[in-house]
Amino acid sequence: ETGVTQSPTHLIKTRGQQVTLRCSSQSGHNTVSWYQQALGQGPQFIFQYYREEENGRGNFPPRFSGLQFPNYSSELNVNALELDDSALYLCASSPGTSNEQFFGPGTRLTVL
Amino acid sequence: GQQLNQSPQSMFIQEGEDVSMNCTSSSIFNTWLWYKQDPGEGPVLLIALYKAGELTSNGRLTAQFGITRKDSFLNISASIPSDVGIYFCAGGNSGGGADGLTFGKGTHLIIQP
Repeated sequence: ETGVTQSPTHLIKTRGQQVTLRCSSQSGHNTVSWYQQALGQGPQFIFQYYREEENGRGNFPPRFSGLQFPNYSSELNVNALELDDSALYLCASSPGTSNEQFFGPGTRLTVL
Repeated sequence: GQQLNQSPQSMFIQEGEDVSMNCTSSSIFNTWLWYKQDPGEGPVLLIALYKAGELTSNGRLTAQFGITRKDSFLNISASIPSDVGIYFCAGGNSGGGADGLTFGKGTHLIIQP
């Protein structure tokens, strides 16, 4: 059974640029959630995708957007990057309606 | 965004000691989860709790879902060096987790040999 994978591992961007992060869900999981983890903090919920539609959203502006594909993999897009967007971005997958979410290793984004 | 209150913030203990940490919230949750995160990695699910008052074990780990639905604790017995890391509590609600999980700031566990 393959776990959650994310790419890239690390990324450096400059303010104002756009970035796309990718996630492959664990085998058998059809729900994907994205979290932002700032240094020294717990993960903060960005949004969740289920059946290729946004199923729920946290307190993040519209420049954070996403997609889910028929194979349940997902993308997180962030436009107009700001310095405060520097963080570890975590993807988590879960089976159907379960609250048990399984995390990938994350993508470390640095915005200069 | 909202975060749960986790305590203690950090713990320095001797190998072999028992560890206890807890998590409180001003809101009710219908699911409590405990995760462990090692440096450079994503959180790993340790225990999930679904019922108020529930006590669940996973090896040397024991966690309880508080009867008020606003708190949970995690105990680790006979700590070993690989227990070092950051432990996060998380609360979840609506079916499917559409509101996402709400996390605490974590408890840093440091074990002195």
